[in-house]
Amino acid sequence: QKEVEQDPGPLSVPEGAIVSLNCTYSNSAFQYFMWYRQYSRKGPELLMYTYSSGNKEDGRFTAQVDKSSKYISLFIRDSQPSDSATYLCAMRVWGQFYFGTGTSLTVIP
Amino acid sequence: EAGVAQSPRYKIIEKRQSVAFWCNPISGHATLYWYQQILGQGPKLLIQFQNNGVVDDSQLPKDRFSAERLKGVDSTLKIQPAKLEDSAVYLCASSPGTSGLQETQYFGPGTRLLVL
Repeated sequence: QKEVEQDPGPLSVPEGAIVSLNCTYSNSAFQYFMWYRQYSRKGPELLMYTYSSGNKEDGRFTAQVDKSSKYISLFIRDSQPSDSATYLCAMRVWGQFYFGTGTSLTVIP
Repeated sequence: EAGVAQSPRYKIIEKRQSVAFWCNPISGHATLYWYQQILGQGPKLLIQFQNNGVVDDSQLPKDRFSAERLKGVDSTLKIQPAKLEDSAVYLCASSPGTSGLQETQYFGPGTRLLVL
């Protein structure tokens, strides 16, 4: 079993839709949860991070963590064509980072 | 603040040749990571440095891959000899290295390697 499992997609949604991206994990020691956005031919860029269960909001993005279920989500409201990218979840424990395989998202104008 | 710099951006070589990649992390960042990202997959850690010491190289294929971080600043990753399955994007990332809750990674643009 992989440490981090991510829905591979791809997802294709119309502009303005709400997008839900999800990851599950097996290691209860994970302390820190991140979402990265990766545009084609670019390195991943940090989108959001959190270390506690619950929701964290930043503009159109909401990161949700449920430690009891070992499940994290990223919600994108009012999705835009510029949100088209691959989204990677990542988790950290004791300085070690573990990445999901990424979900490819296309927002159609 | 300048980001993580990597060079070259693209490299095409034939199998059994050698290749080297260079990374300059964000100034002051103590921790440097090299990742391999195969098309359609997430980044896989190859090696992690804390200053100029190796923290984790458990997934580095040591028979062909080597990395160094002299003086605890920039780093080089070498493959010798290259195999077809080494075709991937090689990402360098750095982090402050405080191990605190705010610790996170910043990635460079990557080097895209194609082995023919």
